[in-house]
Amino acid sequence: NAGVMQNPRHLVRRRGQEARLRCSPMKGHSHVYWYRQLPEEGLKFMVYLQKENIIDESGMPKERFSAEFPKEGPSILRIQQVVRGDSAAYFCASSPVTIALNTEAFFGQGTRLTVV
Amino acid sequence: AQTVTQSQPEMSVQEAETVTLSCTYDTSESDYYLFWYKQPPSRQMILVIRQEAYKQQNATENRFSVNFQKAAKSFSLKISDSQLGDAAMYFCAYRVTGANNLFFGTGTRLTVIP
Repeated sequence: NAGVMQNPRHLVRRRGQEARLRCSPMKGHSHVYWYRQLPEEGLKFMVYLQKENIIDESGMPKERFSAEFPKEGPSILRIQQVVRGDSAAYFCASSPVTIALNTEAFFGQGTRLTVV
Repeated sequence: AQTVTQSQPEMSVQEAETVTLSCTYDTSESDYYLFWYKQPPSRQMILVIRQEAYKQQNATENRFSVNFQKAAKSFSLKISDSQLGDAAMYFCAYRVTGANNLFFGTGTRLTVIP
């Protein structure tokens, strides 16, 4: 059973470009969580999605950031018109049911985004 | 506001010795979970140990154990018989029961000296 797969592992974008980060949850997991880790900081929650639904986006910046988890395919975190401050590691985690029911979420290895 | 504080940016330990990483948190909630995650150079976040706040008994997982002091809002991680593979960033995290998100501290970088 493969773990949570994130790709790409490293992504370089010029200022103003778009970044698309992909997350394939573990098999049988329909709940996905995105976190951002700025340099020298801990992970910060961004958004929680179930298939085709955004459940909690309280940690998402109001502009330029969006997330989706379609019925088929991976979850996508999209950052439009990237700026230097978006440079960070973006982590995805998945769980079979919501972690609010005290199940464990499993993390991927993250995507390191560098904006130049 | 819920905050998690790790006051030790870096720690080191001799191989086979014991080290304790500290963590404090601030919350007005009475029902919550606490976690320690390990992040090796591969960046994979790995759950090391978890503690339910309603349990008085400290959690233990092999060489890893916690000292949970609810009144003091303290949650330290003890690693016994340290091994080279324990070298990593360690993050303390907190989640309110029934919530969907984790709050993380800023991490402690542990170096294991052969």
